[in-house]
Amino acid sequence: EAGVTQFPSHSVIEKGQTVTLRCDPISGHDNLYWYRRVMGKEIKFLLHFVKESKQDESGMPNNRFLAERTGGTYSTLKVQPAELEDSGVYFCASSQVPLWGGDEKLFFGSGTQLSVL
Amino acid sequence: DAKTTQPTSMDCAEGRAANLPCNHSTISGNEYVYWYRQIHSQGPQYIIHGLKNNETNEMASLIITEDRKSSTLILPHATLRDTAVYYCIVRYSGNTPLVFGKGTRLSVIA
Repeated sequence: EAGVTQFPSHSVIEKGQTVTLRCDPISGHDNLYWYRRVMGKEIKFLLHFVKESKQDESGMPNNRFLAERTGGTYSTLKVQPAELEDSGVYFCASSQVPLWGGDEKLFFGSGTQLSVL
Repeated sequence: DAKTTQPTSMDCAEGRAANLPCNHSTISGNEYVYWYRQIHSQGPQYIIHGLKNNETNEMASLIITEDRKSSTLILPHATLRDTAVYYCIVRYSGNTPLVFGKGTRLSVIA
């Protein structure tokens, strides 16, 4: 069974450009999460989809970030325009909706390393 | 903010048991204790979780104190590949995000 797949693995762009990150969750997983790790900082939550709906986007840093999950399958995270402080590793995770509220295992992708120059 | 406290770093000899402590004194009755780890440049990896009882799987054991205010993750026979940052996370439900703290950097030494 394929795991969570993220593309690209690395992206180097200039300040002001646009970048789109893609995440393919494990088949059948309705929950999809985006996280980010900025260098030297902790892993931070960005947002959570349940199927195609945004359940929680409280972690999105600002309106330069747009996440979509059309059709409830793969998700994209677009940064437009990119700023220097957006550099970091962006992780995607997916899970099945648990029968019990806390009994949920998240499976993470390998991440996209974004460098904004 | 993370609701757990972990040592910043630990060393463990290869082949020995690694015991990673975690304090979560403000845990509520419905919150689970989760452990994840991040091996360098990879995404976080689920290890184990529990509510009240001790748990064991193919990767590790989780010992939760009776008052649930602390727990210990045990890797029974640590290998060099277990070198990673280990995160202890308390979480109530699937509608709340995992909150990662600073974790414990475990170094397994040959």
